[in-house]
Amino acid sequence: GQQLNQSPQSMFIQEGEDVSMNCTSSSIFNTWLWYKQEPGEGPVLLIALYKAGELTSNGRLTAQFGITRKDSFLNISASIPSDVGIYFCAGHHMDSNYQLIWGAGTKLIIKP
Amino acid sequence: DAGVTQSPTHLIKTRGQQVTLRCSPKSGHDTVSWYQQALGQGPQFIFQYYEEEERQRGNFPDRFSGHQFPNYSSELNVNALLLGDSALYLCASSLNRGASYNSPLHFGNGTRLTVT
Repeated sequence: GQQLNQSPQSMFIQEGEDVSMNCTSSSIFNTWLWYKQEPGEGPVLLIALYKAGELTSNGRLTAQFGITRKDSFLNISASIPSDVGIYFCAGHHMDSNYQLIWGAGTKLIIKP
Repeated sequence: DAGVTQSPTHLIKTRGQQVTLRCSPKSGHDTVSWYQQALGQGPQFIFQYYEEEERQRGNFPDRFSGHQFPNYSSELNVNALLLGDSALYLCASSLNRGASYNSPLHFGNGTRLTVT
């Protein structure tokens, strides 16, 4: 089935650093969504993107829907300890309006 | 405003048994989706229910079945449990707006199922 390639798999960063992660697909997606999941909890929506080229911010988070509709990135500026968690990209493939397809996640760890 | 609630939070079953997981959607939502999340992986789509019918199904065997009730709550049933069914089962709700992908999913905290 369809898969999203998410990278990096994990990131060790210092507090205050900027973070960048991305997601790619071999086929076209109609939407891109970024979620964050913390231990023992379900994913929480961070940013939703609906149009190719769309650039959306949510506080220190910025995400973009790639022009080719096959990729998306998420940037976090000036990371803080509460940013720790697993970040997932997800999207609706052009053939499926109802099924969300997910990446494997990027685990963000902040070095003390 | 209550979010998505799932029960139970944890469950331990034996191979071959059957299990029922429950989900109440966020207030105002009418669509429920179920996902399976194995350890260290992203969620995998099981199926989605709208107007008490299964609207779309992922690549899961018939041992996985569901139901949606008139109040929009939902159940996920898994028969003949296998060790590989051990996972976090997530319920997500959304509001149908004609094209489902226009309504972002809101997730519950999941049910952790362990099959021994």
